[in-house]
Amino acid sequence: DQQVKQNSPSLSVQEGRISILNCDYTNSMFDYFLWYKKYPAEGPTFLISISSIKDKNEDGRFTVFLNKSAKHLSLHIVPSQPGDSAVYFCAAKDYGGSQGNLIFGKGTKLSVKP
Amino acid sequence: KAGVTQTPRYLIKTRGQQVTLSCSPISGHRSVSWYQQTPGQGLQFLFEYFSETQRNKGNFPGRFSGRQFSNSRSEMNVSTLELGDSALYLCASSLDRGTEETQYFGPGTRLLVL
Repeated sequence: DQQVKQNSPSLSVQEGRISILNCDYTNSMFDYFLWYKKYPAEGPTFLISISSIKDKNEDGRFTVFLNKSAKHLSLHIVPSQPGDSAVYFCAAKDYGGSQGNLIFGKGTKLSVKP
Repeated sequence: KAGVTQTPRYLIKTRGQQVTLSCSPISGHRSVSWYQQTPGQGLQFLFEYFSETQRNKGNFPGRFSGRQFSNSRSEMNVSTLELGDSALYLCASSLDRGTEETQYFGPGTRLLVL
């Protein structure tokens, strides 16, 4: 059973517009959420995270929103740039239960067109 | 500060052989986790080591094993390789296992089993 789901395998956005990547989870015990970006043949690069006690975290062009009641989080990229084209993974952690390992969604491939 | 390094970057083996992959964490990081990435299953947690002790293990067969040395460097071993073991193996390190601790990934080792 997939505990973290990214239902959109791909997303195409025009340069300068907003990119919104979505992630749903089923385990209400998750207490920390992270977004990673991954280029082919490289390891995932940490982008931004959010604790379950918050509903928003912002870092430059990247903002993550968390809706605990809906078990949903989203990553907003504004403005989108061609260099943002990559696969984005949502990950969640249940420190108390799973002792800290990350559970990943299957990723969303973002293409930002010039 | 140097990032997580993994060696080798690429490896070709045949079925039945065994393989050892190495990971050097970011200086000062004591927790090392291993993940397997395949197109079908995405990123899946293998195991985590903290202060030379395996603290958590994912749902993989006993052919997959690992260890951590006193300098926090870690190795993982896969014995009796199967075709399905072909994957990108990623190592991630973090300072400790606290709730809001971020894991930083290395570039991965691409293993191809023929």
